Amino acid sequence: DGGITQSPKYLFRKEGQNVTLSCEQNLNHDAMYWYRQDPGQGLRLIYYSQIVNDFQKGDIAEGYSVSREKKESFPLTVTSAQKNPTAFYLCASSIDVQPQHFGDGTRLSIL
Amino acid sequence: KQEVTQIPAALSVPEGENLVLNCSFTDSAIYNLQWFRQDPGKGLTSLLLIQSSQREQTSGRLNASLDKSSGRSTLYIAASQPGDSATYLCAASPWGYQKVTFGTGTKLQVIP
Repeated sequence: DGGITQSPKYLFRKEGQNVTLSCEQNLNHDAMYWYRQDPGQGLRLIYYSQIVNDFQKGDIAEGYSVSREKKESFPLTVTSAQKNPTAFYLCASSIDVQPQHFGDGTRLSIL
Repeated sequence: KQEVTQIPAALSVPEGENLVLNCSFTDSAIYNLQWFRQDPGKGLTSLLLIQSSQREQTSGRLNASLDKSSGRSTLYIAASQPGDSATYLCAASPWGYQKVTFGTGTKLQVIP
C-alpha cells in the first residue's frame, strides 16, 4: 500500500541534543511538508520541499533543519536551538499545490 | 493574514443525530477549502475538498458546503455513528503553494 511512514512514533530529547525525525513516502509525490501540532493550535508549517535538493522555510523554521536528497525521504532535525520542541510532528506529501497525504506523526518530548 | 476558526472546540451528540460542524475564514480569496479527520495520535485523513468555484461536495454521509462571500464552510454529517468520533479540521488554501491555514479543529464524540 502506498503511504507515508514516520518514525519513531515516540521520541525523547535530552537537553542540548539534536534529534532527527524520519519521513518516507512511496507515493511518488514531488512535494513534502513538515508540520508541528500543539494542543489548541492549528497545524503550523515548519519546512516544505517542492522537489529533490530544494526546500523552503515555513512559518516556524527556527531551531529546525531538513534535507531532501531523495524524492522518497524528507527527514527533520530538531536542533538544540529549538527551546520548546515538545509537540506532535506531522509529515505530509502531495502531487500538487497543497498537503494531501499525512503520516501518523511523531510525538517528541523533553527528558 | 488568513485566520481559520472552528467553533465549537468540542461537541458531543447521541448516535443517529445529524450534525453540522462550522469553519470560518477571514480571507475569502481562497483556492479551495478542505476538511480533514484526525483520530487520536494519528495523522490527518482528507475527507472532502471544495474548489473555490464549487458550492458543495458530497461523500457518503458527509456533505461539505462553501460560501466564500460569508467566509464560511460547513461539514454536515448525517446519521452519526460512534465511528465518526474524531477531531475534524478544516483548512483554507490561497492561490499559491504550501500556505495552507488550518483551523484548530472540532473534537466530535458520538455517544452510542
